[in-house]
Amino acid sequence: DTAVSQTPKYLVTQMGNDKSIKCEQNLGHDTMYWYKQDSKKFLKIMFSYNNKELIINETVPNRFSPKSPDKAHLNLHINSLELGDSAVYFCASSQVAGREDYGYTFGSGTRLTVV
Amino acid sequence: AQSVTQLGSHVSVSEGALVLLRCNYSSSVPPYLFWYVQYPNQGLQLLLKYTSAATLVKGINGFEAEFKKSETSFHLTKPSAHMSDAAEYFCAVSSPRLFSGGYNKLIFGAGTRLAVHP
Repeated sequence: DTAVSQTPKYLVTQMGNDKSIKCEQNLGHDTMYWYKQDSKKFLKIMFSYNNKELIINETVPNRFSPKSPDKAHLNLHINSLELGDSAVYFCASSQVAGREDYGYTFGSGTRLTVV
Repeated sequence: AQSVTQLGSHVSVSEGALVLLRCNYSSSVPPYLFWYVQYPNQGLQLLLKYTSAATLVKGINGFEAEFKKSETSFHLTKPSAHMSDAAEYFCAVSSPRLFSGGYNKLIFGAGTRLAVHP
């Protein structure tokens, strides 16, 4: 069983479109994250949810909107896609409540290409 | 604020040679430190972590790292490189929420690409 699964794995779309990436974890973790990895491999946190509550919201354009219907799911919706949104998006999960030492479990990533 | 600096964006070694990937951190509170590995077209996999117990930490695939507070370093080593070690390696820092005063987040370095040649 995949611990953190993302769909789709690849996404190619035109500028101006709206798209969503889905993430699900079956680890029973309380907290989920979205990270963006740019073309130079740099990883930057975008959002974090703890038990469906938004707890981290970095400086991200408001075209990006996360949604967490329950603590096992965290989806990322992107409106009006731009060329600069092309990247690999990683979902991750972790246990909170004093277990930050566990680190994160990452999904395999979604490669978004905007043309 | 916490940060991580990985010295050397590319490291190349011969198969069988020592691997040394450098990581220095900045943190005003006791840190947790991690090394992750990313193989081509895959997600990140935890190699090892330091969480204030033993300063020499052993991880998977023969890797280990030593936490040196005086040098604010957490360098990753492996005595003998294998072709399968070729990947991108990321150092990351976090801290217990008790000290960070807020929700934990993992801050990554820029990554080091390890190439292993025959």
